[in-house]
Amino acid sequence: NAGVTQTPKFQVLKTGQSMTLQCAQDMNHEYMSWYRQDPGMGLRLIHYSVGAGITDQGEVPNGYNVSRSTTEDFPLRLLSAAPSQTSVYFCASLGHTGELFFGEGSRLTVL
Amino acid sequence: GENVEQHPSTLSVQEGDSAVIKCTYSDSASNYFPWYKQELGKRPQLIIDIRSNVGEKKDQRIAVTLNKTAKHFSLHITETQPEDSAVYFCAASNSGYALNFGKGTSLLVTP
Repeated sequence: NAGVTQTPKFQVLKTGQSMTLQCAQDMNHEYMSWYRQDPGMGLRLIHYSVGAGITDQGEVPNGYNVSRSTTEDFPLRLLSAAPSQTSVYFCASLGHTGELFFGEGSRLTVL
Repeated sequence: GENVEQHPSTLSVQEGDSAVIKCTYSDSASNYFPWYKQELGKRPQLIIDIRSNVGEKKDQRIAVTLNKTAKHFSLHITETQPEDSAVYFCAASNSGYALNFGKGTSLLVTP
């Protein structure tokens, strides 16, 4: 099992550009989520999904869009990037014992 | 929504000493309390968790205690080693998913 795979690992954008962070898991987990990590702010939930076709907002959803067409994939879209979205983004899926399995993270810089 | 407060934000101990990190939560319906460890440049990983029907749980040198009445829980690391140096996050959930994380504690263990 590859676990949770995120791409890209690093990305630099200009203000106003759009992009998609990809996330895939091969553990057949129903629940997937996206967090952003900023210094001193911990991990903040952006969006989550409890299964294919179902998504919901977390604590900081503004400026982000998600969809869940398959169990395996949960992409995060930045519609019009802003400097405030400079962060490290983690995708995670929930195992059957309650453990969150995180991807390696994607470091995004918006200029 | 759930609010998780974590203290201290930084903690420095000498090798062999104990370290204690404390968290409080606001939602009395929360019933799942995991702790994650994040080494520099790595993804967060679960180290121990506790559910609301248990007051204490141990795993070798780490232990977690839960006081439901006071709505706080703590991580205890005994006989600290340099490899324990990392950022530790507590979290709480009332759903089994959609974890709300504290802001993290940076633990430094000096030889």
